[in-house]
Amino acid sequence: ETGVTQSPTHLIKTRGQQVTLRCSSQSGHNTVSWYQQALGQGPQFIFQYYREEENGRGNFPPRFSGLQFPNYSSELNVNALELDDSALYLCASSWGASTAETQYFGPGTRLLVL
Amino acid sequence: ELKVEQNPLFLSMQEGKNYTIYCNYSTTSDRLYWYRQDPGKSLESLFVLLSNGAVKQEGRLMASLDTKARLSTLHITAAVHDLSATYFCAVDSFSGTYKYIFGTGTRLKVLA
Repeated sequence: ETGVTQSPTHLIKTRGQQVTLRCSSQSGHNTVSWYQQALGQGPQFIFQYYREEENGRGNFPPRFSGLQFPNYSSELNVNALELDDSALYLCASSWGASTAETQYFGPGTRLLVL
Repeated sequence: ELKVEQNPLFLSMQEGKNYTIYCNYSTTSDRLYWYRQDPGKSLESLFVLLSNGAVKQEGRLMASLDTKARLSTLHITAAVHDLSATYFCAVDSFSGTYKYIFGTGTRLKVLA
């Protein structure tokens, strides 16, 4: 059984650019959630996807968008990058949306926006 | 707006001592989650508490949930250095759209 993986591990972009982060769910999981964690802060919920549809969303602007694919892998896209987007981006997979199942987190992608 | 607050934010304690981390949340919820994060690492799920009065224990950590008081506690018994980490509680909410809110975190340092 493979765990949650994310790519890339580190990324440097400049303000105004676009970025795509990828997440591969743990085997058997059909739900993925994305979080943004700024340095020294708790994770902030961006959104959750269940069976390829957005199931919930936090207080993030529309320039944060996502996709979930039939194999339950996922992408997080961020357009028009801002300096404050610099953070650790975590994805977590689980079985079932909103079911209180344990979430398993990936190692994260560290994004730096210059 | 759903808020989740933890206290203390920072905790430095001696090995062998006991202490409790508190997690208060602002909305009705029967579900509360605890996580551990080591520096520079991702999050590890510790406990999922699913009902009022739920208590779970793993090693030196014990978590409980009081949904009427909107309070969860994470009790540390006879702390050891390996427990040094940041601990987060989290709550999920179904009001309108699904959301998952983390607390502010408690940074624990266990001194030898």
